[in-house]
Amino acid sequence: QLVESGGGVVQPGRSLRLSCAASGFNFNNYDIHWVRQAPGKGLEWVALIWYDGNTKYYADSVRARFTISRDNSKNTVYLQMDSLRAEDTAIYYCARQNDAWGAFDYWGQGTLVTVSS
Amino acid sequence: QSALTQPASVSGSPGQSITISCTGTSSDVGSNNLVSWYQQYPGRAPKVMIYEVSKRPSGVSNRFSGSKSGNTAALTISGLQAEDEADYYCCSYASNTTLRVFGGGTKLTVL
Repeated sequence: QLVESGGGVVQPGRSLRLSCAASGFNFNNYDIHWVRQAPGKGLEWVALIWYDGNTKYYADSVRARFTISRDNSKNTVYLQMDSLRAEDTAIYYCARQNDAWGAFDYWGQGTLVTVSS
Repeated sequence: QSALTQPASVSGSPGQSITISCTGTSSDVGSNNLVSWYQQYPGRAPKVMIYEVSKRPSGVSNRFSGSKSGNTAALTISGLQAEDEADYYCCSYASNTTLRVFGGGTKLTVL
């Protein structure tokens, strides 16, 4: 199970940190992604962190503004979002990568981030 | 990295078959077999229906099948049922710094 939290309403230019808490599987063995979906729009891949936290990747649209991290002792992945823009408004999902499949096999329920003045 | 191209909508009658295409480039769809398809109902998280182009996770109906030719992948749903009405997204590994790219999504309507 994956449970996101930390969403809310934030002004442009401000920061927000999302959390993704995992349970029911060996969290230390899995890469975790963040995927977002703007209201009424499609899915957009945001970021990836490897199982050990040593390698991270970002979409061009968020690179240098967002930072993904994880605390394997807490079974939690974080997404630090800085310099937020209106276009970052979306539901943010965390998703587990199944390495045997190369696909996302479990998703959280999502947390809504609204960037508005 | 541009999104993969999917038709905005497709429709079919119960019992019919439909195919949703997903067109990318030689840097994503055409470069690997890590193409997956997701089904999403309104207000719900996506669910994987196909992985590695054509493989089905346990529990997914065999009415769902996937294929790929060159830079275009496809999802076929046979024997359409009312419960198949949802949004469908393709996703591919991308061989650049943006590791994953999604299609724009296709809304399937069962008439």
